[in-house]
Amino acid sequence: DVKVTQSSRYLVKRTGEKVFLECVQDMDHENMFWYRQDPGLGLRLIYFSYDVKMKEKGDIPEGYSVSREKKERFSLILESASTNQTSMYLCASSLNSLGSTDTQYFGPGTRLTVL
Amino acid sequence: AQSVTQPDIHITVSEGASLELRCNYSYGATPYLFWYVQSPGQGLQLLLKYFSGDTLVQGIKGFEAEFKRSQSSFNLRKPSVHWSDAAEYFCAVGMFSGGYNKLIFGAGTRLAVHP
Repeated sequence: DVKVTQSSRYLVKRTGEKVFLECVQDMDHENMFWYRQDPGLGLRLIYFSYDVKMKEKGDIPEGYSVSREKKERFSLILESASTNQTSMYLCASSLNSLGSTDTQYFGPGTRLTVL
Repeated sequence: AQSVTQPDIHITVSEGASLELRCNYSYGATPYLFWYVQSPGQGLQLLLKYFSGDTLVQGIKGFEAEFKRSQSSFNLRKPSVHWSDAAEYFCAVGMFSGGYNKLIFGAGTRLAVHP
């Protein structure tokens, strides 16, 4: 089975802090994704990566950046956390280079609270 | 504009009753279609998917979904609901949008099951 792990289940940070969310997948998948999930809005794509050191902006990239130095690891960075970034963050991966229309496998999520 | 609509925010059914969750999409071409389930505090788990072929697809946990091209719909069904099916269900559509392939998620339907 594909396993996608996220470094923290719950995280509490203060406004202005730099926040790192880590995601690791163990199935040699090409593509990795970061979403945020908010009630009534479903999942919205923040960034995705289709190869090491490659990244593409999703629908809501403002206030975020990403890093993919190794194939299995994809990090989401909040440069200066704000209260409106309080949310559930979900990482996902998919196998091949056809892009995100392939089946995506999700991690358990990180619930981030910014005070 | 491409979109995915889940018209029902909350649904409550009695255990043993049948279930249908609705999903409609707006997209000019044939999309890839997915249903995911999210149990409380968890990530998303794939229930089933449709890429091509038979328009009635079977998934895990006794779920099935039917793709109806004429109605731009991909409704999820289960003949007899179990208490453990209480969760949030997301329809997702893979499409080319904004310059790349991506999954667009509906806002979700929260299912409650009465004993």
